[in-house]
Amino acid sequence: SQQGEEDPQALSIQEGENATMNCSYKTSINNLQWYRQNSGRGLVHLILIRSNEREKHSGRLRVTLDTSKKSSSLLITASRAADTASYFCATDSYTSGTYKYIFGTGTRLKVLA
Amino acid sequence: EAQVTQNPRYLITVTGKKLTVTCSQNMNHEYMSWYRQDPGLGLRQIYYSMNVEVTDKGDVPEGYKVSRKEKRNFPLILESPSPNQTSLYFCASSSQGRGTGELFFGEGSRLTVL
Repeated sequence: SQQGEEDPQALSIQEGENATMNCSYKTSINNLQWYRQNSGRGLVHLILIRSNEREKHSGRLRVTLDTSKKSSSLLITASRAADTASYFCATDSYTSGTYKYIFGTGTRLKVLA
Repeated sequence: EAQVTQNPRYLITVTGKKLTVTCSQNMNHEYMSWYRQDPGLGLRQIYYSMNVEVTDKGDVPEGYKVSRKEKRNFPLILESPSPNQTSLYFCASSSQGRGTGELFFGEGSRLTVL
C-alpha cells in the first residue's frame, strides 16, 4: 500500500545545529502535514502545507514541498534538546471511496546538549 | 481544554478476552479514527468515522470493530484479541475529514495480548 517514507530514519545532531528530514510519497496529494511524537506519546501537529504551496514557515520550522518529485522536507533551525522526538509526515489519500491519512515511518531526531 | 481522551492507557490481557478501548473528544469533531503503531511500520489506520453512524475500514481492520453512536465517542472493540494485536493504539479526531485537516491525537493505549 502507498506510504510516505522519511529519510533519514535516525538523526543525531548537536544543540544549535539545523536538522533536516525528508519525506517522499507515492500519489498525488491535496496537502502534506508534519507531526511530532515524543517517546510513546500522542502525535502533535506541527504544520500543514497545501499542494499549491512550495514553502511554509512556522517559528523555527520550515517546510518545503515539491509535488513534481513527490517529496517534502522539514527543517528545524537552531535545534534544542527539547526537539528530541520522532517526526512523521502524513499525506491525504482518497482511494476507492476511502479517505485516509497516510503516515510515514518517521525520523527519530536526537539533539545532544 | 481541547483534548482526545483514551482509556485505558495500559492494558495486559489474554488471548480471546474481549476488550474495549474508549475514545472521547470534546471538540465537536466529525472525523475520528483509530491507528496502531508498531516498530518500523509507522502508523496504520484501523477504522475511521466521518460522522455519527458512519464508519469505514482503514488499512488494517481485521480483528477490530468500532461504533459511532455519539459524535464525541469512538470506541475500538477487540472481540477476540490475539498476540499480533499487541501494539500502541491511538485515537485521533479532526474538524475536517477527508484527510485534509489537522489531526488531534490521544495519548495512546498500550495493549499487550498474552
